[in-house]
Amino acid sequence: QKEVEQDPGPLSVPEGAIVSLNCTYSNSAFQYFMWYRQYSRKGPELLMYTYSSGNKEDGRFTAQVDKSSKYISLFIRDSQPSDSATYLCAMSTGGGNKLTFGTGTQLKVEL
Amino acid sequence: GAVVSQHPSRVICKSGTSVKIECRSLDFQATTMFWYRQFPKQSLMLMATSNEGSKATYEQGVEKDKFLINHASLTLSTLTVTSAHPEDSSFYICSAPLGQASTDTQYFGPGTRLTVL
Repeated sequence: QKEVEQDPGPLSVPEGAIVSLNCTYSNSAFQYFMWYRQYSRKGPELLMYTYSSGNKEDGRFTAQVDKSSKYISLFIRDSQPSDSATYLCAMSTGGGNKLTFGTGTQLKVEL
Repeated sequence: GAVVSQHPSRVICKSGTSVKIECRSLDFQATTMFWYRQFPKQSLMLMATSNEGSKATYEQGVEKDKFLINHASLTLSTLTVTSAHPEDSSFYICSAPLGQASTDTQYFGPGTRLTVL
């Protein structure tokens, strides 16, 4: 079993839809949870960063962490074609420590 | 925001040659940097942790003699792929945490695409 599981997709949605991306994990020591967006042939770009359980909102993006279920989510509201990318969840046991990534979910938002 | 740069962005080399990739933190100091490789449509796999002033820490299965890491200063880490072969062709990405506080997170470089002929 992988430490972090993520549905690879691809996920295709119409413009304006609400997108839900999820990851599950097995290591209860993870404390820091991140979502990265990666466009083709580019480095990952940090979208959201959450410590421990709870919700965090930033514009159209909302990150949720449920440590009791070892489950994290990223919601994208009013999705746009420019949101088309691969979304990677990542987590670590401490800030500055090595990250463990999910496999990434490929998202396509269509006009 | 914090910026991490990589050079070169793309390199094509012949089999058997060595290739050096640079990773720089542009507006902050990084005592630690991380090197990843990513194959097409796959996630990032951590190769090694680069530590300023000391030896790098390699992940299991990564050959330290093949992937030489030097963390020469607080803003520069280099990865040298020695005697490169076609199977080393990949996307290499570095990252650096913004600081040493427990709430810091990591910022990634734009990546270097290596193609070995």
